[in-house]
Amino acid sequence: AQSVAQPEDQVNVAEGNPLTVKCTYSVSGNPYLFWYVQYPNRGLQFLLKYITGDNLVKGSYGFEAEFNKSQTSFHLKKPSALVSDSALYFCAVRATQTGANNLFFGTGTRLTVIP
Amino acid sequence: DVKVTQSSRYLVKRTGEKVFLECVQDMDHENMFWYRQDPGLGLRLIYFSYDVKMKEKGDIPEGYSVSREKKERFSLILESASTNQTSMYLCASGITGRGNQPQHFGDGTRLSIL
Repeated sequence: AQSVAQPEDQVNVAEGNPLTVKCTYSVSGNPYLFWYVQYPNRGLQFLLKYITGDNLVKGSYGFEAEFNKSQTSFHLKKPSALVSDSALYFCAVRATQTGANNLFFGTGTRLTVIP
Repeated sequence: DVKVTQSSRYLVKRTGEKVFLECVQDMDHENMFWYRQDPGLGLRLIYFSYDVKMKEKGDIPEGYSVSREKKERFSLILESASTNQTSMYLCASGITGRGNQPQHFGDGTRLSIL
């Protein structure tokens, strides 16, 4: 079975400080991993993905994520947070050997950047 | 840019009504998905479709059905709406392949059942 855990419902960080939003996953075999962001009253926007190769993945708006196979984690990071980064963040996983294209999502982490 | 358009941003219906939520994508994607989003539960897959007239149940299909008569359009149907179907509904589309491509989402329909 595939699953994703986002252990923090809420993360608060001061503007200009680094931010981390945590994600751990469970799949059989190798994963495809994704991060999405959701602004108020909007759908999900794709930020970045891990497919294979470098463990550090760079994405939109200065975000990056680090894949750690031994810890089955894919934490989202940004060196310097902006107030405009305040949003709901979702991690998602798909097993590489599955024939389906559907994703399994975490429950989301609300990031608040404090001016 | 991929555009996924959901016909209504906000919808208010009454218990027992038959409700239709429409979704259209403009990128010729084979796959389309319907999710519902509830606080603390994240996104849960209701149904998906990998081709015209094809459909597969997701994790929570009870009380819902879908229709895909044309490639670009995927409809979610609440056969007899109930208050526990009050939620945010998100449509997504994606290409068929090795599964390493992201899904693209519409802006959602916030549905209230009174």
